[in-house]
Amino acid sequence: NAGVTQTPKFRILKIGQSMTLQCTQDMNHNYMYWYRQDPGMGLKLIYYSVGAGITDKGEVPNGYNVSRSTTEDFPLRLELAAPSQTSVYFCASSPRQTQQGEQFFGPGTRLTVL
Amino acid sequence: ILNVEQSPQSLHVQEGDSTNFTCSFPSSNFYALHWYRWETAKSPEALFVMTLNGDEKKKGRISATLNTKEGYSYLYIKGSQPEDSATYLCAFYNAGNMLTFGGGTRLMVKP
Repeated sequence: NAGVTQTPKFRILKIGQSMTLQCTQDMNHNYMYWYRQDPGMGLKLIYYSVGAGITDKGEVPNGYNVSRSTTEDFPLRLELAAPSQTSVYFCASSPRQTQQGEQFFGPGTRLTVL
Repeated sequence: ILNVEQSPQSLHVQEGDSTNFTCSFPSSNFYALHWYRWETAKSPEALFVMTLNGDEKKKGRISATLNTKEGYSYLYIKGSQPEDSATYLCAFYNAGNMLTFGGGTRLMVKP
């Protein structure tokens, strides 16, 4: 199993550009999550999904959108990139609700918005 | 927004020293406490998921305890090794499907 994979690894965007961060897991996990990690801060939840067709906002959803058309894929969309979205983005999945199931993280995408 | 605090923020120890750090979380509506180990340039990896008050878990030289009534968890590392150098994250779950992460404790073990 590849686990959780993310593409791209690095990206530089100009202000106002849009892009999609890809996340795929091959563990048949129902639960998937997007986090951002800023320097000196912990991980902040952007969006999460409890299964295909179901998504919900996390702590910091503004400026982002998600979709979950399949169990495997959970892309994160930035419509109008802003410098405040410069961060490292991690996708994660878990087989059960988080109080029971550990989360498995992807390698991260480092995004810079200039 | 829940407040999950970890202390200290960073810690330097010598190889062979034992060490511990703290995670504080709200004591109401507790469901679970997660610990993750995050090495530089890698992804966080789960160490423990703890759900019961008084729970104690162990993995090799690393162990953790949980006190849900007073809202804290300790992570212990016995005989630290350079490969233990990492950031240790705790995360608190009380409702919905969201983990709230602390800011982490960055451990550096000098050979």
